[in-house]
Amino acid sequence: DQQVKQNSPSLSVQEGRISILNCDYTNSMFDYFLWYKKYPAEGPTFLISISSIKDKNEDGRFTVFLNKSAKHLSLHIVPSQPGDSAVYFCAASADAGGTSYGKLTFGQGTILTVHP
Amino acid sequence: EAEVAQSPRYKITEKSQAVAFWCDPISGHATLYWYRQILGQGPELLVQFQDESVVDDSQLPKDRFSAERLKGVDSTLKIQPAELGDSAMYLCASSPILERSDTQYFGPGTRLTVL
Repeated sequence: DQQVKQNSPSLSVQEGRISILNCDYTNSMFDYFLWYKKYPAEGPTFLISISSIKDKNEDGRFTVFLNKSAKHLSLHIVPSQPGDSAVYFCAASADAGGTSYGKLTFGQGTILTVHP
Repeated sequence: EAEVAQSPRYKITEKSQAVAFWCDPISGHATLYWYRQILGQGPELLVQFQDESVVDDSQLPKDRFSAERLKGVDSTLKIQPAELGDSAMYLCASSPILERSDTQYFGPGTRLTVL
């Protein structure tokens, strides 16, 4: 049962344009969401996060939008740069309390390619 | 900048052999995670430590996998015997405290190939 889904395996964008990466989730207990970026031969690195009490969080060129009713979040990158080419993972966690903090459920990832 | 260290980076082994992976988290990080990432999928949590204690190993195949963090610092993940389906990237991550909003810092991973 895939609780976090990234339905687009890949996305190709021209430099300077907007990149929009999408993520859907099914578990209504999820209330904290993160995006990680992964370059080849490296581990994932944290990019941006959002709590369910918000519907938008912005950090420089990166903005994450959360639509709780649709159980959908998206990552916008504006403007896109060739260095943004990487695999992007959406992740979610649930407030199960106690020692369940920190457990992340990841999506399958989307390969973003930004062309010069 | 402090990083999570993992070794080896690559491991090729034959089915039924034993393998072990090592992780050294960022100094001072109390929480340590082991993830498995199969090609084309996202990382999946195998085990989570708080200091030297296991707080979640519900997804760890305990018949063949074991993990320890004896002194609450570095950690070892072992597979015995390895099976073909164990071929994957094994990622270690750490975070300062057991708090969900803390960023998890990942190491470069160990790529395991089982022949």
